[in-house]
Amino acid sequence: NAGVTQTPKFRILKIGQSMTLQCTQDMNHNYMYWYRQDPGMGLKLIYYSVGAGITDKGEVPNGYNVSRSTTEDFPLRLELAAPSQTSVYFCASSAGPVQTQYFGPGTRLLVL
Amino acid sequence: AQSVSQHNHHVILSEAASLELGCNYSYGGTVNLFWYVQYPGQHLQLLLKYFSGDPLVKGIKGFEAEFIKSKFSFNLRKPSVQWSDTAEYFCAVTGAPTSGAGSYQLTFGKGTKLSVIP
Repeated sequence: NAGVTQTPKFRILKIGQSMTLQCTQDMNHNYMYWYRQDPGMGLKLIYYSVGAGITDKGEVPNGYNVSRSTTEDFPLRLELAAPSQTSVYFCASSAGPVQTQYFGPGTRLLVL
Repeated sequence: AQSVSQHNHHVILSEAASLELGCNYSYGGTVNLFWYVQYPGQHLQLLLKYFSGDPLVKGIKGFEAEFIKSKFSFNLRKPSVQWSDTAEYFCAVTGAPTSGAGSYQLTFGKGTKLSVIP
């Protein structure tokens, strides 16, 4: 099993550009999550999904969108990149709502 | 809303020293508690977790944590640290399934960086 994979590993965006961060898991987990990690701030939940077709906002959803068309994939979309979105983004998945979350390797995003 | 507080931002220890990282949480219902570790340049990995039962939980690499309900604490311990334990450690909490639809979101503390000097 590859677990949770994320692409790209690193990206530089200009202000106003858009991009999609990809996340795929091969563990057949229903629950998937997107977090951002900023230095000294821990991880903040952006969006989560409890199954294909079902998504909901987390603690810091502004400026982001998600979709969940399949169990395996949970892409995160940035429509108009802003410097405040410079961060490391982690995708995670779990078998159930309070089960262990398995994290991907992260995407480092720099918005200039 | 649930919250997690990690008392130490950065801890520096010599090899073989004992480690205790503090974690306190705020939540009104039944909780599930986790410690994750992030080694330099890597993603988060689960160290240990507590759902129920014995409040002393043993995890990987010689780590353990004790859940003290009366103190709302879940401190991480290791008797003798190694240079390879240098990493950032995150305490996290989520509500139990019966605690409400939105309560299962995993809430992280801000993390504690551990530097072990050889």
